[in-house]
Amino acid sequence: SQTIHQWPATLVQPVGSPLSLECTVEGTSNPNLYWYRQAAGRGLQLLFYSVGIGQISSEVPQNLSASRPQDRQFILSSKKLLLSDSGFYLCAWSVVGVGNQPQHFGDGTRLSIL
Amino acid sequence: RKEVEQDPGPFNVPEGATVAFNCTYSNSASQSFFWYRQDCRKEPKLLMSVYSSGNEDGRFTAQLNRASQYISLLIRDSKLSDSATYLCVVSGTGGRRALTFGSGTRLQVQP
Repeated sequence: SQTIHQWPATLVQPVGSPLSLECTVEGTSNPNLYWYRQAAGRGLQLLFYSVGIGQISSEVPQNLSASRPQDRQFILSSKKLLLSDSGFYLCAWSVVGVGNQPQHFGDGTRLSIL
Repeated sequence: RKEVEQDPGPFNVPEGATVAFNCTYSNSASQSFFWYRQDCRKEPKLLMSVYSSGNEDGRFTAQLNRASQYISLLIRDSKLSDSATYLCVVSGTGGRRALTFGSGTRLQVQP
């Protein structure tokens, strides 16, 4: 069966520090991969999605970036964090198929910027 | 107008009650629809897909009205464990292979 791993679970970072969040998927090949952010009490905001190695689509211009160095690895990064980057970051995967497939989420990373 | 709109609630219902959530979406070209459940401080989890003819999974029934761009979720015989936020989710269109999530409707089932 497929599993998705995301780490760390929680992170406290000072303003201006770098960020690297990692997500890996097991049990499937060539998945679509996604990064979302959820601010406290708000809905999910799509940040990036990827349909293959090295292919990244950005939904919202910001100081974050994403990379997909391997088929089942998706990384979210920032060179300098802002206070507004605080939130709950979720990685998700879906199979490639006809139409849009449901997405399956990792446990999330709760990021607090001080 | 938001792409996916839901009543935020909260819906406070007693155990055993039937409760219905509604959702409207703006993109008439959307093809895939889902309901997710999100517990407090946890990740969203797929509850069920929504099919054109309507579908049922145990106590849960989902309906889709394409003409009105409206989706519903009915929960019968509510359990305490049903307390959560329910997210309406609609597919993107064009080259976008991502889903659009509503902000969710919060349900609190009380003993």
